[in-house]
Amino acid sequence: EPEVTQTPSHQVTQMGQEVILRCVPISNHLYFYWYRQILGQKVEFLVSFYNNEISEKSEIFDDQFSVERPDGSNFTLKIRSTKLEDSAMYFCASNRQGMRQETQYFGPGTRLLVL
Amino acid sequence: AQSVSQHNHHVILSEAASLELGCNYSYGGTVNLFWYVQYPGQHLQLLLKYFSGDPLVKGIKGFEAEFIKSKFSFNLRKPSVQWSDTAEYFCAVISEGGGADGLTFGKGTHLIIQP
Repeated sequence: EPEVTQTPSHQVTQMGQEVILRCVPISNHLYFYWYRQILGQKVEFLVSFYNNEISEKSEIFDDQFSVERPDGSNFTLKIRSTKLEDSAMYFCASNRQGMRQETQYFGPGTRLLVL
Repeated sequence: AQSVSQHNHHVILSEAASLELGCNYSYGGTVNLFWYVQYPGQHLQLLLKYFSGDPLVKGIKGFEAEFIKSKFSFNLRKPSVQWSDTAEYFCAVISEGGGADGLTFGKGTHLIIQP
């Protein structure tokens, strides 16, 4: 069964550095999402993406963050200048049609630690 | 804005016990409701979902949930749990409407099944 994959599984970075988290959505999916989960807190929606554009974004998704689909398979989340509070698990998800009742399929996550 | 509340953060049961995990949401309009599970070391995966029709929905692995609109609830149940049900369980909601958007998650319930 096809799965969403994410790399790396873990990343440690220094405060102020840029990080790029990578996701490969399921191949026939058209809608992509990023979420994050700070340790001990809820999974929070960051952004959704369709047709090479941001569809929706939350208030968390400020100018520090950007998303891109650089090629036909990858979907990336970039954090330009990381802060300590960006330490979290970041999940990518995808679905085919972006409909509200449609299941979003999640990747295994990238654990980001900012020192 | 939507919000989701899961009442129990940690639940410990013995095998064969019955399970009910509470989930309440707040939102004035029509919603779609989901339960996701995260087994140790694995990614979030869908247990079941409700978007219309019979308010009692059945999911994988013997789980079911009942949508009670008047109570804004979507509690998860299983009549007899197994050791392999040890996992983190997340209730999530998304409002009905157009455009890809993110799920709003509860904080999760960590379920431990003792053999």
